[in-house]
Amino acid sequence: ILNVEQSPQSLHVQEGDSTNFTCSFPSSNFYALHWYRWETAKSPEALFVMTLNGDEKKKGRISATLNTKEGYSYLYIKGSQPEDSATYLCAFMDNNAGNMLTFGGGTRLMVKP
Amino acid sequence: NAGVTQTPKFQVLKTGQSMTLQCAQDMNHEYMSWYRQDPGMGLRLIHYSVGAGITDQGEVPNGYNVSRSTTEDFPLRLLSAAPSQTSVYFCASNPSGSPGELFFGEGSRLTVL
Repeated sequence: ILNVEQSPQSLHVQEGDSTNFTCSFPSSNFYALHWYRWETAKSPEALFVMTLNGDEKKKGRISATLNTKEGYSYLYIKGSQPEDSATYLCAFMDNNAGNMLTFGGGTRLMVKP
Repeated sequence: NAGVTQTPKFQVLKTGQSMTLQCAQDMNHEYMSWYRQDPGMGLRLIHYSVGAGITDQGEVPNGYNVSRSTTEDFPLRLLSAAPSQTSVYFCASNPSGSPGELFFGEGSRLTVL
């Protein structure tokens, strides 16, 4: 079983604050790192798929970085809005495991207006 | 475009009963998988399939059976339901040959009494 960890488990911020979370994963056999956004009562939706060390991806106010050599990825949200409230999941894809993903436990973000 | 369709959305079972969660995708994805989501534990892989006629076990396969007779369908069977199988179940699909994102169904909430 691969070890994929996310921190913090939960986070409360005020509207307008910027925030970031961490995903740590094995530094060997890296193939890809996924980030998903999961709103309550909905299904997870992909934010980013990252494959190269040093990758930086951006979608609106959300961005992510990747360090495969040390085994971590950061997700940043600039100027948080109440609609950003969700659980953010990262998932590691091992080079030896086909297309299967191992998920972290998620970071639950709550943005107060 | 329906994407990934799961049924039923809600189900209550008594201990020892059996049932099948249905999953169908219309994106011609080769890879399909079943996850369960429990509080504080993220998504855990139950079974997966890399193509029609091929299935394999994930992290938590005990008590579940799968089959993949067509590319489109990947049903999950609970053979003799136990209270420990109370969970939210997600079916997902993704294309082969690339680290592509998972596309999730809407989830099935199962309660075993």
